[in-house]
Amino acid sequence: EAGVTQSPTHLIKTRGQQATLRCSPISGHTSVYWYQQALGLGLQFLLWYDEGEERNRGNFPPRFSGRQFPNYSSELNVNALELEDSALYLCASSTVYGPTNTGELFFGEGSRLTVL
Amino acid sequence: ILNVEQSPQSLHVQEGDSTNFTCSFPSSNFYALHWYRWETAKSPEALFVMTLNGDEKKKGRISATLNTKEGYSYLYIKGSQPEDSATYLCASNFNKFYFGSGTKLNVKP
Repeated sequence: EAGVTQSPTHLIKTRGQQATLRCSPISGHTSVYWYQQALGLGLQFLLWYDEGEERNRGNFPPRFSGRQFPNYSSELNVNALELEDSALYLCASSTVYGPTNTGELFFGEGSRLTVL
Repeated sequence: ILNVEQSPQSLHVQEGDSTNFTCSFPSSNFYALHWYRWETAKSPEALFVMTLNGDEKKKGRISATLNTKEGYSYLYIKGSQPEDSATYLCASNFNKFYFGSGTKLNVKP
């Protein structure tokens, strides 16, 4: 069974441009999470999607946005790129949704975004 | 803002040593506590998912305990091996998964 897949693996953009990152969850998983790991920092929660809806977002500006498609794949869009957006972006999926979501997260290998 | 804190930040041990790390989290509105292992050039992988106060989980030489009333979890590794070298992350689920900054373990042969 295929794991969580992310594309592209690497992306180089310049300041002010837009970046789009993609994630395909494990088959049967309805929840997708996005995380940012900037250099020297831990995993910062960005967004959580489930059943096509944004369920929660972290402390990031509105230029970080995304969506989840009917097939549960997801896109993360970062507009007006800034140098500090350079980071590894990890996507994770899980199968259980609800107030007691205890399902483990399955991570993709990440997309490394470099902003010049 | 939810703070999940881990200590120590890094740890260097000799092969065969036993070691433990700490994860602390706010105890209110608790849903679950996850531990993940993140090896270099790989994706984080789940070790344990713990939900109940007093939970103890074990996988081989690695075990974890959970105290939801005081908001902490311990991860223990017995007889560390070089292949245990990785960053160990904990995450607390409050309708968002907040991760700690991790404990980087280096096991020397």
